[in-house]
Amino acid sequence: DVKVTQSSRYLVKRTGEKVFLECVQDMDHENMFWYRQDPGLGLRLIYFSYDVKMKEKGDIPEGYSVSREKKERFSLILESASTNQTSMYLCASSTPGTRITGELFFGEGSRLTVL
Amino acid sequence: AQSVTQPDIHITVSEGASLELRCNYSYGATPYLFWYVQSPGQGLQLLLKYFSGDTLVQGIKGFEAEFKRSQSSFNLRKPSVHWSDAAEYFCAVGAVDTGRRALTFGSGTRLQVQP
Repeated sequence: DVKVTQSSRYLVKRTGEKVFLECVQDMDHENMFWYRQDPGLGLRLIYFSYDVKMKEKGDIPEGYSVSREKKERFSLILESASTNQTSMYLCASSTPGTRITGELFFGEGSRLTVL
Repeated sequence: AQSVTQPDIHITVSEGASLELRCNYSYGATPYLFWYVQSPGQGLQLLLKYFSGDTLVQGIKGFEAEFKRSQSSFNLRKPSVHWSDAAEYFCAVGAVDTGRRALTFGSGTRLQVQP
């Protein structure tokens, strides 16, 4: 089975802190994604990566950055956390291709609270 | 750009009753369509997907969905709901010709099951 692991299930940080959310997948997937989930808004794409060191902005990239140094690992970085970044963060991976021929496999999520 | 609308934020059904969750999409060509389920505190799990061919798609846990191009809809159905089906359900669309490899999600429908 595909396994997408998010290292922290729950985090509490203070405004202005730098926050790292880590995600690891074990299925050799080229594509990896970070979504943010908020009540009533569904999932919104922050960033995605289709190869090592490659990244593309999603729909809401402001205030976030990402790092993909190894194929299996995709990190989301909040350079200076703010209270409006309190949310559930979901990592996902998928098989490659110029077309979407596969599904997204999700981690269990990281719930971040910024005080 | 593609978009997804789930008109029902919250639905309550009795155990054993039938279920239909609505999903409408906006996309210029034939989309790739997905339904995901999220149990409390968990990540998202794929229920079913439509790429092409038969417009009635069978998924896991007894769910099915029907793609209706004329109505731009992909509604999820289950003939008899079980208490364990209480969860949040997300419809998603994938684009083929834009090169965007990420899915666009609806805002979700929360299902409550009464005994």
